[in-house]
Amino acid sequence: GIQVEQSPPDLILQEGANSTLRCNFSDSVNNLQWFHQNPWGQLINLFYIPSGTKQNGRLSATTVATERYSLLYISSSQTTDSGVYFCAVGAQKLVFGQGTRLTINP
Amino acid sequence: ETGVTQSPTHLIKTRGQQVTLRCSSQSGHNTVSWYQQALGQGPQFIFQYYREEENGRGNFPPRFSGLQFPNYSSELNVNALELDDSALYLCASMLSPLRTDTQYFGPGTRLTVL
Repeated sequence: GIQVEQSPPDLILQEGANSTLRCNFSDSVNNLQWFHQNPWGQLINLFYIPSGTKQNGRLSATTVATERYSLLYISSSQTTDSGVYFCAVGAQKLVFGQGTRLTINP
Repeated sequence: ETGVTQSPTHLIKTRGQQVTLRCSSQSGHNTVSWYQQALGQGPQFIFQYYREEENGRGNFPPRFSGLQFPNYSSELNVNALELDDSALYLCASMLSPLRTDTQYFGPGTRLTVL
């Protein structure tokens, strides 16, 4: 089955810094989503982005489907951005990466 | 628009018992999927229900079973609980499995098996 790898596994930054999270996948996909999991476990949808670039405030994402990767950019990080970020691919069944744990220190 | 809801929030069971978790899909969504997330891992697909029928299953044993009701809400049943079943169980709904689309997740049920 399809494999999804995320990097880095952990990222610690100071408030105000920018960050880039990467998601590589092993096969062509027609669905890719980025999620933020808050401390209570809720998965919050960030982007549905099978290809191209999207922006939402301080967050943006780019998926290059032909090269099988996606990037999530967070600019001017805030402490509330802390948590685990997952990318997931697939249509009917989502296959998740292991996540990137982001810690933003004040 | 009502989001995905799950109940209960937390549950503690002992090994060998049975448990039922519940999920109400987002308004207008007829497809519900269940995922298991062990500590420190990404969620793993258990199965999906579409119009009251199972529509795909992950690598989970038959003691994991489910139902979907005419109002598209769903249940996940786990029999003969094992310690390794301790996890966060997430339910997600989507408009239809016949098109690629966003899946929306509920807040989860945290199951502890002692």
